[in-house]
Amino acid sequence: NAGVTQTPKFRVLKTGQSMTLLCAQDMNHEYMYWYRQDPGMGLRLIHYSVGEGTTAKGEVPDGYNVSRLKKQNFLLGLESAAPSQTSVYFCASSYGASGGVDTQYFGPGTRLTVL
Amino acid sequence: AQSVAQPEDQVNVAEGNPLTVKCTYSVSGNPYLFWYVQYPNRGLQFLLKYITGDNLVKGSYGFEAEFNKSQTSFHLKKPSALVSDSALYFCAVRDSRDSNYQLIWGAGTKLIIKP
Repeated sequence: NAGVTQTPKFRVLKTGQSMTLLCAQDMNHEYMYWYRQDPGMGLRLIHYSVGEGTTAKGEVPDGYNVSRLKKQNFLLGLESAAPSQTSVYFCASSYGASGGVDTQYFGPGTRLTVL
Repeated sequence: AQSVAQPEDQVNVAEGNPLTVKCTYSVSGNPYLFWYVQYPNRGLQFLLKYITGDNLVKGSYGFEAEFNKSQTSFHLKKPSALVSDSALYFCAVRDSRDSNYQLIWGAGTKLIIKP
C-alpha cells in the first residue's frame, strides 16, 4: 500500500515550457486535490476532483489544468510555465464521505522551478 | 469569508516543557478544524480534527487541541515536548456552509524543540 505517490519529485522548466504532474493513490479514494505551497502562505488549492471524470476549480486555478480519467490518478498540467509557478506541489486524496470533513492523505510533493 | 490565522511564525520550546501552537479561525457557519504536521521534505500528515462534540480532541503522537467557540480558537497542545516534534504545523478550517469541501489553510508555524 503506497498511499499517495507523485511523479516527478523535482523538475526545472524554462518559461513557456509545458509539463504534467502525475498523482496516483491506491486507497480507492473518491476525492483528490492539487495544492501549491509557497513560503509563508500555507497551502492553496489549485483544483480538486470529487470523483472519476469530474474536476473543479480551487482558490488559484489560473495557468493550470487537470484531468481525472481514472479514479486512482489525478493529473495537473502546466501548458505554458511561468516563474510565478515556481512552488512545491502537493497532491492529496480523501475517502469522500462525511461531507468533505474526512482526513486528507498527502503525497511527498513535487518541487518545480521555472526559470 | 472563511479564514484561519496562525499568529506565530515560530515557536521555541525546551524539550520536556509543554507546547502550544495557536490557531484562530473565522467562518460564517460551524467550523470543521484540522491540524496537520509537515516534517522536512515530506508531505503533510494528519494529526487531529474537530467536527462536533467534545471540545478537547486527542490525536496522534500525544497531541491534543481544544476547540473554544467563544474565542474562535483551536490551539494545538502537548504536555511534554520531544525534539522529534520539531516540524511545521498547519491549522485548517472548513465552513459547514461551504458546499465545495475546500479547506482553508493557515500559513504554518515552525515548532523548534531544543534539547
